[in-house]
Amino acid sequence: DVKVTQSSRYLVKRTGEKVFLECVQDMDHENMFWYRQDPGLGLRLIYFSYDVKMKEKGDIPEGYSVSREKKERFSLILESASTNQTSMYLCASSSKQGLDTEAFFGQGTRLTVV
Amino acid sequence: DQQVKQNSPSLSVQEGRISILNCDYTNSMFDYFLWYKKYPAEGPTFLISISSIKDKNEDGRFTVFLNKSAKHLSLHIVPSQPGDSAVYFCAASRARGTYKYIFGTGTRLKVLA
Repeated sequence: DVKVTQSSRYLVKRTGEKVFLECVQDMDHENMFWYRQDPGLGLRLIYFSYDVKMKEKGDIPEGYSVSREKKERFSLILESASTNQTSMYLCASSSKQGLDTEAFFGQGTRLTVV
Repeated sequence: DQQVKQNSPSLSVQEGRISILNCDYTNSMFDYFLWYKKYPAEGPTFLISISSIKDKNEDGRFTVFLNKSAKHLSLHIVPSQPGDSAVYFCAASRARGTYKYIFGTGTRLKVLA
């Protein structure tokens, strides 16, 4: 079974703090993704990575950065947290093998910025 | 611009009846489509997918239909069960492209017992 694990289920941070969200997958997947889910807006892609040290911006990268130093780990960094970054953050991974493949998600991190 | 749209934010269906969830897309380069189910405070779980070379894919109570000319897909759940109550997201991808998945805004399904 594919397992995608996010380091925290719930986080509360103060405005201006630097925040790290960690994600680890155990299936040797090449692709990893960070999404945020907000009511009425669905899942929006923040960043994704298709290889170690490779990253591409998604639809809403402003205020975020990412790091992928090892294949199994993909970190999302909020450089200076703001209240509009309060959201559910979802990490996912997928394989490049085969053309049709689904993404597997972690359990999510509910981040509240106060 | 919203490339994947789910125009119905919510849907209520009686237990045992059919649930039909709809999704439209704008980018004709998409060639792989997926449906995910999400419960509150959990990550989305994969439900069913369809490649653009097909127009139908079935898995138990779940069937996905794809109409490429209309850029429309739908998920049918028959019969609907109370445990199906969740938010359903459709997603699209270019399997031969950058592998990223674009999601719709979701439809909240409530199956009434």
